[in-house]
Amino acid sequence: AQSVTQLGSHVSVSEGALVLLRCNYSSSVPPYLFWYVQYPNQGLQLLLKYTSAATLVKGINGFEAEFKKSETSFHLTKPSAHMSDAAEYFCAVSEANSKLTFGKGITLSVRP
Amino acid sequence: EAGVTQSPTHLIKTRGQQVTLRCSPISGHTSVYWYQQALGLGLQFLLWYDEGEERNRGNFPPRFSGRQFPNYSSELNVNALELEDSALYLCASSTDRAPPFFGPGTRLTVL
Repeated sequence: AQSVTQLGSHVSVSEGALVLLRCNYSSSVPPYLFWYVQYPNQGLQLLLKYTSAATLVKGINGFEAEFKKSETSFHLTKPSAHMSDAAEYFCAVSEANSKLTFGKGITLSVRP
Repeated sequence: EAGVTQSPTHLIKTRGQQVTLRCSPISGHTSVYWYQQALGLGLQFLLWYDEGEERNRGNFPPRFSGRQFPNYSSELNVNALELEDSALYLCASSTDRAPPFFGPGTRLTVL
């Protein structure tokens, strides 16, 4: 069975500060990993995905994530937070062409 | 290219009623997934359809059911609604070459 752990439920950063959202996964097969963002009252938008190519994955809106097999991690980062980044972020894992298993999500707040 | 569409956007039902939610996938996508996002419970996997067949089912009672049509659109049916069925229901579509893309969701309120 696959699982995702996102520690904590809320992260608050100042505008312009580094954003780091942590994700650890468990999978018995080589995983596909994803980060999605959800703005209030909307669906999920794909930020980026890892599918066994380059371990450093660049996504939309300046976000990137690094796959570290030895640490079973796929942390999401952005060098400089913007007010518009305030949202809920979900990490997910899947096998190839299969359902996603999501973490509990983490809410990012950005202080002016 | 049009994204995943879902209808209706919102609906309100009473306990015991039945509801049907609809999802149209991105053109060329053959897989459709349904997820429930209830307050405080995160994103729970409901159903996965691919090429018209049910491929996997989450830990939900049988009153949650669905189907996929030949054009790959999908319906989610919920019978005998309970208060705890109030949630945002999200549909996603994918292919073996594309990751799941989500629709805007249907907000169901059960009174």
